[in-house]
Amino acid sequence: DTAVSQTPKYLVTQMGNDKSIKCEQNLGHDTMYWYKQDSKKFLKIMFSYNNKELIINETVPNRFSPKSPDKAHLNLHINSLELGDSAVYFCASSQDRGLIRATTAYEQYFGPGTRLTVT
Amino acid sequence: AQKITQTQPGMFVQEKEAVTLDCTYDTSDPSYGLFWYKQPSSGEMIFLIYQGSYDQQNATEGRYSLNFQKARKSANLVISASQLGDSAMYFCAMSLVGGYQKVTFGTGTKLQVIP
Repeated sequence: DTAVSQTPKYLVTQMGNDKSIKCEQNLGHDTMYWYKQDSKKFLKIMFSYNNKELIINETVPNRFSPKSPDKAHLNLHINSLELGDSAVYFCASSQDRGLIRATTAYEQYFGPGTRLTVT
Repeated sequence: AQKITQTQPGMFVQEKEAVTLDCTYDTSDPSYGLFWYKQPSSGEMIFLIYQGSYDQQNATEGRYSLNFQKARKSANLVISASQLGDSAMYFCAMSLVGGYQKVTFGTGTKLQVIP
C-alpha cells in the first residue's frame, strides 16, 4: 500500500513540450512538497502546499506551476520544457501543520521520484 | 539561513563494521530538527532518524544512531554492523521548528559497503 505515489516514473520528452507529473499521498498529511534532484544528487525544494494553499515558493521559473486539487494531491505542470529541466522530481508529504508553538520538526515521506529527460 | 555541510563525498566500509557519516549544520535559531535520509541506487528517499535540538539524548533507530554534539553543531550518523544493503547515498537535512519551514539538505555522502 504505497504511501506517496507519483506518476509517471519516467518521462522523456522534447524541448518546448508541456508535461505534468502527478502525486498522491494516503498518509493523511496536511503538507506536500515538490523537490528537484539534479544530476549531482543535490536536492532542492521547489514548492510546498498545506491544505491546498501554497506556502513555500522558491525561485523557480514560472514555467513550473503546482496545483493542489485537495490535500492528498499535488501535481506539477511544466510548460515549454528546457534541457535544464532534466532531473528527478520528488513529491513528498509531512504532518507539518505550521504550528507556531510546535515542538518538533516533521520528517518527510517521499514518493519514488519521476525521472524527467528533456531532449 | 540554514546550512548543512557533508564533507565526505564518498566512503567505504567493510561489511559488519561500524561507520560514521559526518554532518555539520549552521543556524542561529535555537529550535530545529535534524534528519538523515537514505537514497539507494533504486532512487527512493527513505527517512532514517530524527534529532530535535532540545532532545537530551542521542536518537537511535535500530542500527542507526545520531551522534548529536550541539556545541559543535554536528549531527553525525553512525551505522553499526554495516550490511551490503546499506550501500547508498546518505543525506543530512535540517529544518527549523514552528511555522512552515523549509528542509535544507546537504550534498550527500555515498557509502559503499565492501563484502
